[in-house]
Amino acid sequence: DQQVKQNSPSLSVQEGRISILNCDYTNSMFDYFLWYKKYPAEGPTFLISISSIKDKNEDGRFTVFLNKSAKHLSLHIVPSQPGDSAVYFCAAKSQGGGNKLTFGTGTQLKVEL
Amino acid sequence: EPEVTQTPSHQVTQMGQEVILRCVPISNHLYFYWYRQILGQKVEFLVSFYNNEISEKSEIFDDQFSVERPDGSNFTLKIRSTKLEDSAMYFCASTPPGGAQPQHFGDGTRLSIL
Repeated sequence: DQQVKQNSPSLSVQEGRISILNCDYTNSMFDYFLWYKKYPAEGPTFLISISSIKDKNEDGRFTVFLNKSAKHLSLHIVPSQPGDSAVYFCAAKSQGGGNKLTFGTGTQLKVEL
Repeated sequence: EPEVTQTPSHQVTQMGQEVILRCVPISNHLYFYWYRQILGQKVEFLVSFYNNEISEKSEIFDDQFSVERPDGSNFTLKIRSTKLEDSAMYFCASTPPGGAQPQHFGDGTRLSIL
């Protein structure tokens, strides 16, 4: 079951630069998308979300872009900071599918000094 | 900031034994969830719970699993007869009422079946 895919298992970025994390999905019934950050030995922490009626949502250094025709979303972090180093999960909720989230496999972001 | 809390942080159990994982969701939240993450794999949905009943469950959530909200604050996941393949991180989550809301997760319980 690969309904949500994060094709890059890892990403390395210099401090101060932009981090771009990508996510693709196959289920056209998904109508709500979320990004979570996870540190080791902690649970996923909610970062930002976007509804399928929008194509962009911004919260401070974090911006999520949604391209419905391409079934693609991305998370931009500007500027990247060392504390952003974590695993980032993309997740999606299906319209009429209850509230369950379908997660991607995650991307390990490392922000280097 | 209110948090979802889970206990214990690590549970070691012999195969075939029953185990209960505990969660205290955020107090004004009405929807509760359990997910699991087997080492090296993605986070997988197990079950959602609303208004004192299961609202949705996955294929993983078979007859060996059950959930309960025994006292209005705790939300538990019971595995009746554990198997080796139940070894995983188990995450509890909750959401407030209304519309599309993000799920807030606890830090998880690491379940190790021997």
